Amino acid sequence: LAKTTQPISMDSYEGQEVNITCSHNNIATNDYITWYQQFPSQGPRFIIQGYKTKVTNEVASLFIPADRKSSTLSLPRVSLSDTAVYYCLVGEGKLIFGQGTTLQVKP
Amino acid sequence: DAMVIQNPRYQVTQFGKPVTLSCSQTLNHNVMYWYQQKSSQAPKLLFHYYDKDFNNEADTPDNFQSRRPNTSFCFLDIRSPGLGDAAMYLCATSRDLAGAASYEQYFGPGTRLTVT
Repeated sequence: LAKTTQPISMDSYEGQEVNITCSHNNIATNDYITWYQQFPSQGPRFIIQGYKTKVTNEVASLFIPADRKSSTLSLPRVSLSDTAVYYCLVGEGKLIFGQGTTLQVKP
Repeated sequence: DAMVIQNPRYQVTQFGKPVTLSCSQTLNHNVMYWYQQKSSQAPKLLFHYYDKDFNNEADTPDNFQSRRPNTSFCFLDIRSPGLGDAAMYLCATSRDLAGAASYEQYFGPGTRLTVT
């Protein structure tokens, strides 16, 4: 399973775009890149998943360069309710969570 | 509309007293997982079932066992809880174990276990 590295914490203000980058240098050919969001005292929630290039859904965008050794989760116009821990996971099958990025959105 | 249900949400047990946590799902998914999450840490996978096949993580203590009597239900048994077992226990499901379908896991709200 590929190891991931992401910033431990980030601060932002309401209305800003937030980009969280994850490094996964040892990603394997079959691996997908998946991001989860977790609020305090709740289970993680799937946000977005991609294999290569760009993926967009109603919540976020995921940018993956050609070498797939990193990925960037982009949250447009964050609000206070986006304050959470964001996990980047790489692999196939079972999920091994890394430390995650704690995003604090300020008013 | 709850898809992964965990009961109870809060559980208090005494040191050494066996405890069982339950999980049910309405998604008819093949795979069910149990995670342990301690305060300020990431979820840690304990084991999973693919249908009836049980898969234990190498570092999961023997104190933790699981049962899956049918597709919908899965139980986590802690035989002799220690103070270090106090944590949030998360149940999750996924449609499959391989390919794109495996990555979207649906998590329950968790059961917070306190050991006194």
